[in-house]
Amino acid sequence: DQQVKQNSPSLSVQEGRISILNCDYTNSMFDYFLWYKKYPAEGPTFLISISSIKDKNEDGRFTVFLNKSAKHLSLHIVPSQPGDSAVYFCAASSSGTYKYIFGTGTRLKVLA
Amino acid sequence: GAVVSQHPSWVICKSGTSVKIECRSLDFQATTMFWYRQFPKQSLMLMATSNEGSKATYEQGVEKDKFLINHASLTLSTLTVTSAHPEDSSFYICSAPSRVRHNEQFFGPGTRLTVL
Repeated sequence: DQQVKQNSPSLSVQEGRISILNCDYTNSMFDYFLWYKKYPAEGPTFLISISSIKDKNEDGRFTVFLNKSAKHLSLHIVPSQPGDSAVYFCAASSSGTYKYIFGTGTRLKVLA
Repeated sequence: GAVVSQHPSWVICKSGTSVKIECRSLDFQATTMFWYRQFPKQSLMLMATSNEGSKATYEQGVEKDKFLINHASLTLSTLTVTSAHPEDSSFYICSAPSRVRHNEQFFGPGTRLTVL
């Protein structure tokens, strides 16, 4: 039972354009969501997070949107840069626990 | 930011042998650490929660006798894959929670295990 899903395994975007990565979850107990970026043979690095009390969080070129009613979140990268090319994982957790449930990842390729 | 290291970064072993992977928090103390496993093109799956001074908590389906976890100090957790078999070949990643940013974890660089 995949509680966190990223339905697009890959995405290609032209440099300078917007990248939109999507994530859906099924467990209504999740109240904290994070996006991590991962390069091959490396551990994930934290990008941005959002609490369920918000519907948007912005940090530089990265913005995460949360739609609780749809159990959907998305990561927007504007403008996309070639260095953004990596696998992006969304993760969800519940209050009082550090346990993450990860999505399956989306491989983003930003074309120069 | 905080740094979590893992050693070794990659290991190749024969079937039936045991392999120990170390996870260290380099500039902060971690009473809890997490061990994940990632198969090719799949998600990171939480295997267990390592607790300093007490037994690890294993996720459903993870054999605790096969994946031995020891959290001997506030900066070190070890995962031992006992009697490794080719199906244990995977990418093992540890993490430690941030004490500053709520719910954030710092991940190690991972260990690639290949069992022949």
